[in-house]
Amino acid sequence: AQKVTQAQTEISVVEKEDVTLDCVYETRDTTYYLFWYKQPPSGELVFLIRRNSFDEQNEISGRYSWNFQKSTSSFNFTITASQVVDSAVYFCALIPNYGGSQGNLIFGKGTKLSVKP
Amino acid sequence: KAGVTQTPRYLIKTRGQQVTLSCSPISGHRSVSWYQQTPGQGLQFLFEYFSETQRNKGNFPGRFSGRQFSNSRSEMNVSTLELGDSALYLCASSLSGFTDTQYFGPGTRLTVL
Repeated sequence: AQKVTQAQTEISVVEKEDVTLDCVYETRDTTYYLFWYKQPPSGELVFLIRRNSFDEQNEISGRYSWNFQKSTSSFNFTITASQVVDSAVYFCALIPNYGGSQGNLIFGKGTKLSVKP
Repeated sequence: KAGVTQTPRYLIKTRGQQVTLSCSPISGHRSVSWYQQTPGQGLQFLFEYFSETQRNKGNFPGRFSGRQFSNSRSEMNVSTLELGDSALYLCASSLSGFTDTQYFGPGTRLTVL
């Protein structure tokens, strides 16, 4: 079964706090791709990062960082020194690399992050 | 480069009617996927099109259909609307589908009364 679990439904932090959003995935495939998207109140899903299953290097982009661990099937997302503009719903998603999975992102339920000033 | 565009942004329909939503992908992208987002079910895959062909379909009834034109623009149609079809419908485009990164449009908010 292919599944993405984001156990944190809602997180509330105060500006400048660090926050980590958890993502656990299930797939039987050895090759797969993981994504994070941000959905602000406007509704559009904004692409943040893509990672393939063979690249376990952690990635940092400004205040954002991602920790991919195949051993625990996790792909966690950390925002350092959070800002009010980071308030949004964040989705983790998976695409396995097998025939029949074309274009089908499997999403978690999302984590709503509220950053208070 | 212009992003994915969707029209209309908002729609209000009544039960039993049908509706057509439109999606224009990023220039050069040939794959278009559609998703339904509801508070209860979250984001669910509807179907994917590439070169005017539906390559993949999610678990939705036949009332949901789509098509793609030669310029890669796509439409989805929902016939005999039900209250449960009220949702945000998101379209995403990618270069060639499969595992390519998908870029999303702003969505069409459909309300069925």
